Amino acid sequence: AQTVTQSQPEMSVQEAETVTLSCTYDTSESDYYLFWYKQPPSRQMILVIRQEAYKQQNATENRFSVNFQKAAKSFSLKISDSQLGDAAMYFCAYKGTSGTYKYIFGTGTRLKVLA
Amino acid sequence: DVKVTQSSRYLVKRTGEKVFLECVQDMDHENMFWYRQDPGLGLRLIYFSYDVKMKEKGDIPEGYSVSREKKERFSLILESASTNQTSMYLCASSSGQGAPYEQYFGPGTRLTVT
Repeated sequence: AQTVTQSQPEMSVQEAETVTLSCTYDTSESDYYLFWYKQPPSRQMILVIRQEAYKQQNATENRFSVNFQKAAKSFSLKISDSQLGDAAMYFCAYKGTSGTYKYIFGTGTRLKVLA
Repeated sequence: DVKVTQSSRYLVKRTGEKVFLECVQDMDHENMFWYRQDPGLGLRLIYFSYDVKMKEKGDIPEGYSVSREKKERFSLILESASTNQTSMYLCASSSGQGAPYEQYFGPGTRLTVT
């Protein structure tokens, strides 16, 4: 069975600095999707970035980028130039493509941004 | 913009009550999901539905049931609420047409059972 592990329950970053959130996963599938979701306090969870496993190039969305290492089954999220609005819970998620509807989520990392 | 709405943001119920949580999406998505979110446990899948009247159990279905009579609406039912069902409940939807498989989430319902 697939698993997703986020080993950092909480992280802090100074405003304008860079922070990296870690995520590792376990799967026997070769084709799958990985996601980072952001859940601000008392607000809706939204997608930050996605990565298709068959793409070697790391996904980037403005200040957010990933370091996807398929062989190591690692999918970290880098936030550059951190802003106060980045403070949130961040969830890493996995979805296989072989006939399953299920998404597997990690336990989340709470990011604090210090002014 | 995809919109997923949930019937209540906060709900307080008594032990033994029957509780209905409703979720509506406006993007004609085939797939809908109910998750439970607890600190340190992440999101755990309760039930999901891939079509009207179709449902499958997730990882923690005990004590819950679901209903999907219309494509846009997916209801979670707690047959007899218990204190260990106090939690944040998140609804999500996604297209059944394949990639990119992004899920869209509702704002959540924080349920307290006393």
